[in-house]
Amino acid sequence: SQTIHQWPATLVQPVGSPLSLECTVEGTSNPNLYWYRQAAGRGLQLLFYSVGIGQISSEVPQNLSASRPQDRQFILSSKKLLLSDSGFYLCAWSLWDRKNTEAFFGQGTRLTVV
Amino acid sequence: GQQLNQSPQSMFIQEGEDVSMNCTSSSIFNTWLWYKQDPGEGPVLLIALYKAGELTSNGRLTAQFGITRKDSFLNISASIPSDVGIYFCAGRVVDYKLSFGAGTTVTVRA
Repeated sequence: SQTIHQWPATLVQPVGSPLSLECTVEGTSNPNLYWYRQAAGRGLQLLFYSVGIGQISSEVPQNLSASRPQDRQFILSSKKLLLSDSGFYLCAWSLWDRKNTEAFFGQGTRLTVV
Repeated sequence: GQQLNQSPQSMFIQEGEDVSMNCTSSSIFNTWLWYKQDPGEGPVLLIALYKAGELTSNGRLTAQFGITRKDSFLNISASIPSDVGIYFCAGRVVDYKLSFGAGTTVTVRA
C-alpha cells in the first residue's frame, strides 16, 4: 500500500533562517506531488505541484521554492524565512488518471517562525 | 483556481444529531471529494464522487454530487464525539489541481 512521510512534524525557526521540509511517498511510481499551506483556522492553499522529476509548478509567488530531485521525493525550501511563512505545511500525492483523482496527505509540519 | 464556497463555516453538534454541510462552485467540476482533518493532522479522504447525481455512503457519512455538477453535500448521521474536526470539500476540473473549500469546523455542543 502507498504511504506518505513528511518531516519534521514541528519546527521553530528564526526569521531569516533557511528552511527545508521533506516529503517522500512509498508504494507507487510517478505520483503527482503537492505542497499546501494552511494558516490557522483557514483552508488549504496550494503552493506547488509536480507531475514529474524536475517539473515544478508554482501557484503563488512567494518566499518559498520546491524541488523534486527523485520520483517520490518532494522538498519545500526557503533561503530566508519570514514571519508570514508560519503555518501548517502539508504534502500530498495523487496518481491522477481518468478514474482516480483523490489526493492523499501527509501528517503535516507545523512551522513557527519567530 | 476555481472558487469553492463551503457552508456553514462552523457548527456545533449534539451527540446523536444529523448534520449537513455543502459546497457550491461557479464552475462545473468532474470530481468532488470530502476530507476530514483532526487537529494537528493531515486531511483524510472520506468520500470521492465522480458522477453527477452520484450518492455515496461511507458508514454514517453520505455525500452527493449535485446534478448541476456545481455543488455537493455531506451528511453525517447520528453524530458522535469523534466526528469533531474540520471537514473540507474539494473539486477537480480538468487539470492536476484540486480546489479546496475553506472548511466547516464541527464542534461538540457542551
